Amino acid sequence: EVQLVESGGGLVQPGGSLRLSCAASGFPFSSYAMHWVRQAPGKGLEYVSAISSNGGSTYYANSVKGRFTISRDNSKNTLYLQMGSLRAEDMAVYYCARKSSGTYWVDYWGQGTLVTVSS
Amino acid sequence: EIVMTQSPATLSVSPGERPTLSCRASQSVSSNLAWYQQKPGQAPRLLIYGASTRATGIPARFSGSGSGTEFTLTISSLQSEDFAVYFCQQYNNWPLYTFGQGTKLEIK
Repeated sequence: EVQLVESGGGLVQPGGSLRLSCAASGFPFSSYAMHWVRQAPGKGLEYVSAISSNGGSTYYANSVKGRFTISRDNSKNTLYLQMGSLRAEDMAVYYCARKSSGTYWVDYWGQGTLVTVSS
Repeated sequence: EIVMTQSPATLSVSPGERPTLSCRASQSVSSNLAWYQQKPGQAPRLLIYGASTRATGIPARFSGSGSGTEFTLTISSLQSEDFAVYFCQQYNNWPLYTFGQGTKLEIK
């Protein structure tokens, strides 16, 4: 069974940093591109970042470019999102998601971890 | 950026009814459109990809149609477990996914 379990969310002050993790199991993690997607309270879903299966290519939404870094450790089956210079508008539930192999839609999502940015 | 617009925002329906949810893209996304279901506190679940192909394990009462800029998700006979939020996603220009704002199906 495919499982994606996010962790690392919490309360952080504006300007602060946080690292999210996503532990993957039930599939060959190193064969799949992965995403981070977020959902602000009462808002729709927003693509944040993506990374290729081997970590060689990374992509970012303009809203987080230069502040967030996506990475992965295929030996640990774990995806990361290092978030810096956090702003109030970054407050959201952050989801880890798997891109379907050989295609472009997302086929599995984690349950999300909440990031609260507040002083 | 491709903007996805879903309507209505909320749909009040009774079990057994046949709701139709709409999703419109600001420019053509061909058939590169997926639908997801999300229940409170749960991970989103893939329902439809390629605009009309049901994902593995998805009941036949869910059907998707459309191409280009206009898409619909229809539930042929609404079950109690179908009350949830549904959102569409275009993946025409990976990885720059964009999502609709969602349609909430609520009990009438």
